[in-house]
Amino acid sequence: QKEVEQNSGPLSVPEGAIASLNCTYSDRGSQSFFWYRQYSGKSPELIMFIYSNGDKEDGRFTAQLNKASQYVSLLIRDSQPSDSATYLCAVNRGSGFGNEKLTFGTGTRLTIIP
Amino acid sequence: KAGVTQTPRYLIKTRGQQVTLSCSPISGHRSVSWYQQTPGQGLQFLFEYFSETQRNKGNFPGRFSGRQFSNSRSEMNVSTLELGDSALYLCASSLADRVLGNEQFFGPGTRLTVL
Repeated sequence: QKEVEQNSGPLSVPEGAIASLNCTYSDRGSQSFFWYRQYSGKSPELIMFIYSNGDKEDGRFTAQLNKASQYVSLLIRDSQPSDSATYLCAVNRGSGFGNEKLTFGTGTRLTIIP
Repeated sequence: KAGVTQTPRYLIKTRGQQVTLSCSPISGHRSVSWYQQTPGQGLQFLFEYFSETQRNKGNFPGRFSGRQFSNSRSEMNVSTLELGDSALYLCASSLADRVLGNEQFFGPGTRLTVL
């Protein structure tokens, strides 16, 4: 079992719709959770982070965390063509106390269809 | 505030050579992590430095090493290069603080090609 699993996609979503990206992780000791967006040929860009169970909203983005189910998701509302990218889920056993190491999923490729 | 910078951006080396990559973190960040990204393996953790000390190390051979200086700048070195070392090497910096957070911000990366 991979430590962090994501559907590789591609996931195609019409412009203006909601894109839903999912991620599961195996390490119950994971403390902090991140979503990165990576455009082709570029480095990952942090778009959301979440530490506690529940939802966290930032603009068009909502991250959801369920530690009991070891599940984290990202919702993108009102999807735009510029949202087309690979989305990487990352988990960290550390939380600022040390042991800072991001473990990444393989990424979901998202395409927004105009 | 300036972001994470990495130099050089591109490198071409031949098998057996060694290479040194440099990373300057965001001002005030004391934690620097290094990752390797390849199409086959994705993003994999190499090591993390905090206040000049290596705190974490990933599952890479000893040919991969690093260090951090007192100004938090970091270098990583790969000796005896192999074809499989061709990858995008990414540096990320973080406050790594229990109160202020531990988000990691990536630099643009160094694209290493080994011939």
